[in-house]
Amino acid sequence: QVQLVQSGAEVKQPGASVKVFCRASGYTFSDYFIHWVRQVPGQGLEWMGRINPKSGGTSSPQKFQGRVAMTRDTSISTAYMELSGLGFDDTAVYFCAKAGISSSSTGWFDPWGQGTVVTVSS
Amino acid sequence: SYELTQPPSVSVSPGQTVSITCSGDKLGETYVYWYQQKPGQSPVLVIYQDTKRPSGIPDRFSGSNSGNTATLTIRGTQTMDEADYYCQAWDSNTVVFGGGTKLTV
Repeated sequence: QVQLVQSGAEVKQPGASVKVFCRASGYTFSDYFIHWVRQVPGQGLEWMGRINPKSGGTSSPQKFQGRVAMTRDTSISTAYMELSGLGFDDTAVYFCAKAGISSSSTGWFDPWGQGTVVTVSS
Repeated sequence: SYELTQPPSVSVSPGQTVSITCSGDKLGETYVYWYQQKPGQSPVLVIYQDTKRPSGIPDRFSGSNSGNTATLTIRGTQTMDEADYYCQAWDSNTVVFGGGTKLTV
């Protein structure tokens, strides 16, 4: 079955960077965009951007531009999201999610990874 | 920036029908997607392209979208449906999520 498995919890100091991985299985990794979404404790969902695994092309909202880097390694069907310049308000659960339509940059997300807890603490 | 507005909370008695709304300017002109999230779990897609149900989602879940409002309806609500529900749409090549609705059964 289609599955996304993410890396484990991280604790980082303010100003540091964090890199989360998302390993895909059960489908052709290059055919579907991977999206990244975060959820601050007790709050809603926030889209951080997407990567086209086939080309490596990325897109993210202005809020995260310059601070988020999304990459992939097609040889191991894994996407990565690195967030730099961490602040206390970056404490959140970070999810990856597979796009619902092959080769489409839009649409729905299904399934989602299990989430990676990132805690920013001094 | 584009905004999607959901009621913060909705309550329903078991077996009854409940509707959760999602409002946005001319929302009916784009597709809306709905996710269910239970505490400590990842979101799960329950409706895509306004009205379609993924395999494995019970047929008591249905969706509609017209004008400025999309609606997720759950008929014969069960206690297992208690969760947060989020609507999602695209605007200017950017994902927008509603603020979420906590459904209490």
